[in-house]
Amino acid sequence: AQTVTQSQPEMSVQEAETVTLSCTYDTSESDYYLFWYKQPPSRQMILVIRQEAYKQQNATENRFSVNFQKAAKSFSLKISDSQLGDAAMYFCASFGAGNMLTFGGGTRLMVKP
Amino acid sequence: DAGVIQSPRHEVTEMGQEVTLRCKPISGHNSLFWYRQTMMRGLELLIYFNNNVPIDDSGMPEDRFSAKMPNASFSTLKIQPSEPRDSAVYFCASSFPDGNYEQYFGPGTRLTVT
Repeated sequence: AQTVTQSQPEMSVQEAETVTLSCTYDTSESDYYLFWYKQPPSRQMILVIRQEAYKQQNATENRFSVNFQKAAKSFSLKISDSQLGDAAMYFCASFGAGNMLTFGGGTRLMVKP
Repeated sequence: DAGVIQSPRHEVTEMGQEVTLRCKPISGHNSLFWYRQTMMRGLELLIYFNNNVPIDDSGMPEDRFSAKMPNASFSTLKIQPSEPRDSAVYFCASSFPDGNYEQYFGPGTRLTVT
C-alpha cells in the first residue's frame, strides 16, 4: 500500500517570497509518479507539477519546482515569487501499482499581500 | 476540450432519498475515477473503471453506494438510501492511456444530506 504524508497543515508566505511545501511518501513500487495538485476555493483540482520517479532531474513548471529525493522518499514543492492566486490547498499524490492515486492530507497555503 | 463534466454541481437531499451523480470524462480517456472529499478523511478513491470495466471498488464505503459506466462517455455514482454522513464533495476524474498517469478532475459535486 502507498502512503503520502504532508506534515504541514498550514503555511503562509509573503507575496513575492518563496515557500516550500513538504511531502513524504512510502511505496514498494520501483516505477511510480508523483504529483502536486492545487485546490483553490473553487475546489477544482488542478495539476501543478509531475515527477517521474525514474528521472533524476527535478521537474520545473514556471514558478513551481520540486525537490525529489528518491532515497529519502521526499517530494517537496517550491513556489517562487508567490502570488495571491497561489493561495489554495495543495495536495501531494503518488501513483503506482493498481492504477491508484494516493493523496496526502493537504497543506493550506496562505499568501499575505 | 470541455474537460471532465460533472452534474449536478450541488445537490441537497433528505436522508433516505436516492442520489445520482453523473460524470462525463474527457473524450479519449479510458480510465475513470470517483473520489470523495471530506474534512475528516480527505480525498478517498471510491472506485475506478478501465475501459468501462470496474477494476477496484474497495473504496466504496458500503452497499448503499454503486457506480456504473455503461459507455466510454458516461458514468454514474448512486447512493441509495442516502445518509447525512454521505455529505461530501464527490469528484470524478479521467486519465489518458499514454502512461503518464495524470488525472484530470471535474469540478466536483457538493452533496448535502439533511
